[in-house]
Amino acid sequence: GNSVTQMEGPVTLSEEAFLTINCTYTATGYPSLFWYVQYPGEGLQLLLKATKADDKGSNKGFEATYRKETTSFHLEKGSVQVSDSAVYFCALSDGEADDKIIFGKGTRLHILP
Amino acid sequence: GAVVSQHPSWVICKSGTSVKIECRSLDFQATTMFWYRQFPKQSLMLMATSNEGSKATYEQGVEKDKFLINHASLTLSTLTVTSAHPEDSSFYICSATKGWNTEAFFGQGTRLTVV
Repeated sequence: GNSVTQMEGPVTLSEEAFLTINCTYTATGYPSLFWYVQYPGEGLQLLLKATKADDKGSNKGFEATYRKETTSFHLEKGSVQVSDSAVYFCALSDGEADDKIIFGKGTRLHILP
Repeated sequence: GAVVSQHPSWVICKSGTSVKIECRSLDFQATTMFWYRQFPKQSLMLMATSNEGSKATYEQGVEKDKFLINHASLTLSTLTVTSAHPEDSSFYICSATKGWNTEAFFGQGTRLTVV
C-alpha cells in the first residue's frame, strides 16, 4: 500500500543554518505530494505541494522537488529562522481511486537563536 | 506510541440524514483535537479546533451548525455532519495532541459518501 517515510526528529539547528528534512514515499499511480507544518498550539497548514514529477513546490523560503526516480520529496530551506520551529509532515494523496491522504510521522524542528 | 482511532473508516448515508464520526485517543489524553476535511485532489483543510470541555473553534467558512463538534472527554471528540448533502461527501481526518507544542497524531480518516 501507499506509505510515507520521513526522517525522525527532533532536528535542532542554529538560526541561518541550512535545513533538509528527508521524505520518501511508496505509491501506486501518480500521487500528489505535500508538506504540512504545524506551529505550536495550531492546526496543520499546507506549506507546499507538487502534483507531478519534477514539479517544485515552494513557499516561505521552503522548497521541495517531486523526484519520481528516487520517490522522494525532501524539504529544504537555505536559512532557517527561529519562527520556523514547528512540526513538519510529509504527505501524499493518491488522487486516483481514493483521495485518502497519508501522512508521515512528522519531524519536529527546533531553531536556536 | 500514541494511537488515534477514528470510526467509522467509511460510511454511506442518505441525503438529509446525520452522520457522527468519532475520534479517540487510545493511550493518551488529548487536550486538543483537530478536524480536517480533504476535498478531491486538493490539500487538507482545517475545519475546527476542539479543546476538551469547551466549544470548538471553527475556521472561517465552516458552518458550525452543520458540522457539530463535541469534545466531551480527554479521549473522545465527535464530528456530526447534520442534514448531510452530496456535497458533504469527502474524506474527514482528526488529529490529537497531548499538549501545547507537542506532536499531532492522526486518525486513519473517514470516507463519507452522501447519496
